[in-house]
Amino acid sequence: EVQLVESGGGLVQPGRSLKLSCLASGFTFSNYGMNWIRQAPGKGLEWVASISSSSSYIYYADTVKGRFTISRDNAKNTLYLQMTSLRSEDTALYYCARGVGLLDYWGQGVMVTVSS
Amino acid sequence: DIQMTQSPSFLSASVGDRVTINCKASQNINRYLNWYQQKLGEAPKLLIYNANSLQTGIPSRFSGSGSGTDFTLTISSLQPEDVATYFCLQHNSWPYTFGAGTKLELK
Repeated sequence: EVQLVESGGGLVQPGRSLKLSCLASGFTFSNYGMNWIRQAPGKGLEWVASISSSSSYIYYADTVKGRFTISRDNAKNTLYLQMTSLRSEDTALYYCARGVGLLDYWGQGVMVTVSS
Repeated sequence: DIQMTQSPSFLSASVGDRVTINCKASQNINRYLNWYQQKLGEAPKLLIYNANSLQTGIPSRFSGSGSGTDFTLTISSLQPEDVATYFCLQHNSWPYTFGAGTKLELK
């Protein structure tokens, strides 16, 4: 069974940093591109970043470019999102999702709240 | 960036009704369009990928059509468990972009 479990969220002050993790199981993680998508409270979905299976290509939304870094450790079956210079508008539920284009499995999400 | 205009924003229908939801892309996205269902408090679930391919395990009352810029999700006979918000996603090019969502409720 494919499982994606996010962790690392919480309450953080504006300007601070936070690192999210997504632990994958039930499939060969190193064969799949991965994504981060977020959803602000009561709002729609916003794609944040994507990384290929071997980390050879990476894409970011303009809203996070230069502040967020997506990475992965295929030996640990884990996807990461390093978030710096956090803003109130980054407050959202952050999902990891499997696949380039397909986004066929999603985790349950982890909440990040940016507030003083 | 490709803009995805989804309509309607809200839809009220009865059990057994045929329901259609539309997404229009601001430029040609070929068939690189997925549809997702999100129930309250849950993660999105993939229903349809590449415009018209039914994801494994999804009931056949869900179908997708379209190509280029205009796409439709159809529920042939609405069931109570279909109450949810539906989103489209274009993955023709980065940045991936989602429609704003259609909230489907029972009349």
